[in-house]
Amino acid sequence: GEDVEQSLFLSVREGDSSVINCTYTDSSSTYLYWYKQEPGAGLQLLTYIFSNMDMKQDQRLTVLLNKKDKHLSLRIADTQTGDSAIYFCAESPPGTYKYIFGTGTRLKVLA
Amino acid sequence: KAGVTQTPRYLIKTRGQQVTLSCSPISGHRSVSWYQQTPGQGLQFLFEYFSETQRNKGNFPGRFSGRQFSNSRSEMNVSTLELGDSALYLCASSLQADSRIEQFFGPGTRLTVL
Repeated sequence: GEDVEQSLFLSVREGDSSVINCTYTDSSSTYLYWYKQEPGAGLQLLTYIFSNMDMKQDQRLTVLLNKKDKHLSLRIADTQTGDSAIYFCAESPPGTYKYIFGTGTRLKVLA
Repeated sequence: KAGVTQTPRYLIKTRGQQVTLSCSPISGHRSVSWYQQTPGQGLQFLFEYFSETQRNKGNFPGRFSGRQFSNSRSEMNVSTLELGDSALYLCASSLQADSRIEQFFGPGTRLTVL
């Protein structure tokens, strides 16, 4: 099937690290993505990782990829209140020209 | 460089009417994709266009259609609106022919069907 799974909610304290998990479906997906959506807004691309990588770091963001388990995670270091949003992982199977999005994880950062 | 723009931002229609939504991609981008976002179904792929050709279509009824013009602007049309069509419709554009690379999303059009 095409169900990319994420946990629905995550609550962390300001300054802590957040880890958002995702299980995708298509092992042939070459690119895997993390998007952020703030209330009333569209989707903002945070980062993406190629399937031949295990890890990618970009400032406060670290993406880990476990291809064997089809598991993707996004770690946000030093989480701030401005990070409160919904985070979507997405995969794009080759030749489909589409993204398959996860259900989204609502991150709430407590001051 | 201007981002992806979508018009209108908000729309209210009644059941049975039809609606046309517009998307202008980032300058130079030739791939445009459309997604429907609802609380129940999440983000669902509608269709993707590249150089005026539809390359893929999602699992939506024939009431949903789209097209792309020679300047890469795209429109989607929904005929005979149903209550369940109420959603945020998002457009995304990509520079590459391989539209998997870096899709940039617009702010969306919020459609409410009464």
